Amino acid sequence: QSALTQPASVSGSPGQSITISCTGTSSDVGSYNLVSWYQQHPGKAPKLMIYEVSKRPSGVSNRFSGSKSGNTASLTISGLQAEDEADYYCCSYAGSSPCVFGGGTKLTVL
Amino acid sequence: QVQLVQSGAEVKKPGSSVKVSCKASGGTFSSYAISWVRQAPGQGLEWMGGIIPIFGTANYAQKFQGRVTITADESTSTAYMELSSLRSEDTAVYYCAREVRSFGVVIAFDYWGQGTLVTVSS
Repeated sequence: QSALTQPASVSGSPGQSITISCTGTSSDVGSYNLVSWYQQHPGKAPKLMIYEVSKRPSGVSNRFSGSKSGNTASLTISGLQAEDEADYYCCSYAGSSPCVFGGGTKLTVL
Repeated sequence: QVQLVQSGAEVKKPGSSVKVSCKASGGTFSSYAISWVRQAPGQGLEWMGGIIPIFGTANYAQKFQGRVTITADESTSTAYMELSSLRSEDTAVYYCAREVRSFGVVIAFDYWGQGTLVTVSS
């Protein structure tokens, strides 16, 4: 199973919105509404931010939202804040595997 | 509040094995499943396999089949991941994570251990 494709890096200024894409295939992202997103600060464990494409766990800011179209899922962060600077990973159910991760995207808040 | 606490860092020789533990507290251990995810230095996340303690059955990523063994001890609320035939490319931080399931399908990982660095070096 190949990793999902994410941009290596994105950046934005405080208060702006950014979107991170996660492209898979018809065998994973395109077939299941089971995409999750994780935030990882340096030296820390990943944190669940979005599950089932667009649902937010309790305690996660509503500045984080998710969507999907065809084989591509997206994570949007609105009202960027300094603490949003981190690595972000998508994960999709793929039938034979419960989770295929993307390569990760480094978000820089300018 | 679920908490997953992993064992400490390990340094291993190529060809040897390593066993990492993940002790759970909060919630009911037997009612949830645990996955193992690793992250090589400067690299992304990689799912290795998972186990449902109440059933004792594990499933593994094809890449690790035959080299990884995931077990669980309900009496101590601890999950284990053993990786054998270690090589330098196995140097990574290994995380345990609780699976969120819906109708038997894993939909997310909601609680994570702090990670265990395994270094493979001669």
